[in-house]
Amino acid sequence: DAGVTQTPRHEVAEKGQTIILKCEPVSGHNDLFWYRQTKIQGLELLSYFRSKSLMEDGGAFKDRFKAEMLNSSFSTLKIQPTEPKDSAVYLCASSFSGTGGNEQYFGPGTRLTVL
Amino acid sequence: GDSVTQTEGLVTLTEGLPVMLNCTYQSTYSPFLFWYVQHLNEAPKLLLKSFTDNKRPEHQGFHATLHKSSSSFHLQKSSAQLSDSALYYCALSGSYNQGKLIFGQGTKLSIKP
Repeated sequence: DAGVTQTPRHEVAEKGQTIILKCEPVSGHNDLFWYRQTKIQGLELLSYFRSKSLMEDGGAFKDRFKAEMLNSSFSTLKIQPTEPKDSAVYLCASSFSGTGGNEQYFGPGTRLTVL
Repeated sequence: GDSVTQTEGLVTLTEGLPVMLNCTYQSTYSPFLFWYVQHLNEAPKLLLKSFTDNKRPEHQGFHATLHKSSSSFHLQKSSAQLSDSALYYCALSGSYNQGKLIFGQGTKLSIKP
């Protein structure tokens, strides 16, 4: 089975641009997560979907970050407008929901640089 | 709310010495605990997960014991290898049927020859 795929792997944007990151979860998984990873903050949860419904979006990221999941096999994360402080690795992960204790499978990430 | 604490940001060891990375947690429920490992330029992947029957999980020479009395799930290995150099995250799955994981800040393990 294919793992989680993310595109693009690298993105360079000018300050103020709009960028869209894409994620395809593992087939059959119904939980999907977007994280931001930096050396200082570690892994920060941006959004959490269960069966395409938004369960949680990280409060601090609401104003310029918008994740969507229009179908069970594809999700996007839009950052609008971008700022230099958004430079980070953006990770997508998926899991199969159950009674808890479910392993999350991570994609390779998108490295975003905002100039 | 639920939280995970990893007190060490960086652990540097000589190859062959034992490894212990600390992880403590707070949770209202009886959570599952996880260790994820992330090698340079790779995605995080599951290393270990706690069992409901208190068996000790082991993988690639690593093991961790869930101690509910002290709310800890420390990661251990008897002899470090150069290939163990990576970023290690401790995480918990909190309330029943919630898919979200709560991650600690991460510990970078650096093994020197």
